[in-house]
Amino acid sequence: ETGVTQSPTHLIKTRGQQVTLRCSSQSGHNTVSWYQQALGQGPQFIFQYYREEENGRGNFPPRFSGLQFPNYSSELNVNALELDDSALYLCASSLAASGNTIYFGEGSWLTVV
Amino acid sequence: AQSVTQLDSQVPVFEEAPVELRCNYSSSVSVYLFWYVQYPNQGLQLLLKYLSGSTLVESINGFEAEFNKSQTSFHLRKPSVHISDTAEYFCAVSDWGKTSYDKVIFGPGTSLSVIP
Repeated sequence: ETGVTQSPTHLIKTRGQQVTLRCSSQSGHNTVSWYQQALGQGPQFIFQYYREEENGRGNFPPRFSGLQFPNYSSELNVNALELDDSALYLCASSLAASGNTIYFGEGSWLTVV
Repeated sequence: AQSVTQLDSQVPVFEEAPVELRCNYSSSVSVYLFWYVQYPNQGLQLLLKYLSGSTLVESINGFEAEFNKSQTSFHLRKPSVHISDTAEYFCAVSDWGKTSYDKVIFGPGTSLSVIP
C-alpha cells in the first residue's frame, strides 16, 4: 500500500456536468501529479502541483484544473464533461527531487453518460 | 518528446515458464526507467526502477530488467511465472531534471496472462 488515497472510487456523471476528485498524498510528499488512464491504455500525464501551484501540464484542455492545499492534498476538477473523459483518474505523490519515485493511489473510476 | 513502446500488447505464458516483456524508449539521453504493474481494478504499483549504476535491476518478487542504453531498451524478465503474476505491466520513462516538473511517460501496457 502506497499511502496515497483517492475519493470517490467510482462515480457516474452526465455529459456537461462538472466533477471533483480528491487525493491525499503519502505522508511527507510535497508533489502531486494527476494521470488519466483510458480503458486499455497507459496513463497520460495531466498536470503536477508543487507548493500549491501548477508547475507542469500535459496535453489536456483548460477545463481540466486542479488545486493543491497546504497539507499537500489535491483536487482534480473537470468541467463540461465529455463522454471521452470516462477513465480511471490516478493521483500520484512524490518528493520534489530528481529520481524520486512517484507512488500511485488506487484511482477514481469516472463514467460519463 | 519522449515515447515508450511496448511491442507486445498481450503475452500468454504457461505457469513456471520464463517470460520477457519488451520495452523500448525514444531517447538515448539520460533517463530514469520504471516498470509498473496493475492488477485488475487496482492502481499502479512500482515493480522496479533504474536510476543509475548497475544496468540490471531486480524486484522482490523475482522480476528483473536490464537497461541497455545503446538499444534504448528496458526489457522485463522473469525465469518462472506464477498465476499471481497475471496483470497489466507498464514500462515508463522519466527525464527527471529536464523540465521544472517531474513527468512520467507510460507505454501502452502489456497484458500478461499466466495459464495453469
